Amino acid sequence: ETGVTQTPRHLVMGMTNKKSLKCEQHLGHNAMYWYKQSAKKPLELMFVYSLEERVENNSVPSRFSPECPNSSHLFLHLHTLQPEDSALYLCASSQDRVGGRATGELFFGEGSRLTVL
Amino acid sequence: EDQVTQSPEALRLQEGESSSLNCSYTVSGLRGLFWYRQDPGKGPEFLFTLYSAGEEKEKERLKATLTKKESFLHITAPKPEDSATYLCAVHTNAGKSTFGDGTTLTVKP
Repeated sequence: ETGVTQTPRHLVMGMTNKKSLKCEQHLGHNAMYWYKQSAKKPLELMFVYSLEERVENNSVPSRFSPECPNSSHLFLHLHTLQPEDSALYLCASSQDRVGGRATGELFFGEGSRLTVL
Repeated sequence: EDQVTQSPEALRLQEGESSSLNCSYTVSGLRGLFWYRQDPGKGPEFLFTLYSAGEEKEKERLKATLTKKESFLHITAPKPEDSATYLCAVHTNAGKSTFGDGTTLTVKP
């Protein structure tokens, strides 16, 4: 496996379900991200983990709960989602260099397409 | 507030017809400007990083340029396989990245 791998690629869930998205990076990076991509909207940053510590949470509803057990793995736990949460969820990684902040070049996975019924 | 505006929203070209995509930005403290390519159903793929005005980068039929207010992605003699959505993103000294809405390029044979 190389690069950034996301599973599952597609997920359909009801509003009362609990599911998780998984991301694994094989690039030796030390920062990982969750982005949301909706139709006709730019990429929205959700969470950033640097050196396994959450450094950014962009006012994301609590029904989204991230977990970063180590620098190679990132999860997004989902519960009681709404239909408007349907989107492509992208995981990315990068190499932090200065003061715990990433230098900008992101390597993305192929995304998990989430549909909430 | 950091802003990134890409134009046009969509661009249709004939194979071999060169053109340019624009990314205008307003940020406080630019650390770098990035171009990504995104194919349908896939994640963005990194293309270029530009750090300072006047800088240029090239890769095959693509060439990215940067001024203090905007960046251009020039596509020379495009082929159908260049069809994709091209995303521009700026990264600031505060460590924040902001993406534009993207330009969807379609190249007809």
